[in-house]
Amino acid sequence: NAGVTQTPKFQVLKTGQSMTLQCAQDMNHNSMYWYRQDPGMGLRLIYYSASEGTTDKGEVPNGYNVSRLNKREFSLRLESAAPSQTSVYFCASTQGGNSKTEAFFGQGTRLTVV
Amino acid sequence: GENVEQHPSTLSVQEGDSAVIKCTYSDSASNYFPWYKQELGKGPQLIIDIRSNVGEKKDQRIAVTLNKTAKHFSLHITETQPEDSAVYFCAAIYSGNTPLVFGKGTRLSVIA
Repeated sequence: NAGVTQTPKFQVLKTGQSMTLQCAQDMNHNSMYWYRQDPGMGLRLIYYSASEGTTDKGEVPNGYNVSRLNKREFSLRLESAAPSQTSVYFCASTQGGNSKTEAFFGQGTRLTVV
Repeated sequence: GENVEQHPSTLSVQEGDSAVIKCTYSDSASNYFPWYKQELGKGPQLIIDIRSNVGEKKDQRIAVTLNKTAKHFSLHITETQPEDSAVYFCAAIYSGNTPLVFGKGTRLSVIA
């Protein structure tokens, strides 16, 4: 199994450009998440989807939108990129529901906004 | 909401020594506490977890302890090896429908 797959792995954007980060999981998980990782700040939750058809804001949602396309896929969109969005982005998934189990992470997308 | 504090932010140990990382949480309803290891250029991976009905759990050289009364939990790594060098995150959760809340991470360096 591939687990959680993120694309692209690296991206450079100019300020004001838009892009979509893609995430797909093949574990039939119900819940999916987008985190950003910045030095000294740990993993901060941007948005999550507890189940197909639902999305909720996390700690740092401003400047982002998400789409839970189906049970497998959860995308993150930057409509107008800003230098403050330079970060490493991780997608994760869990079984969710009543099951508190392991979160599986993708390999990350390193985004630079210039 | 839940808040997880993690200390220290950096830790250097000699190979063969033990390493301890400590976390505190704020929500007494939290009942699942995983630890993740992140190697350079990779996503975090689960290394051990503990549930609130257990006080201690061991897996070879790593162990986690939980003190529900004090709302803190710790990761213990014994006989450290260079391959233990990584960033470690603690996390807490109280429901499968809510996201994990992570600490800010500890960068562990094991010096050969």
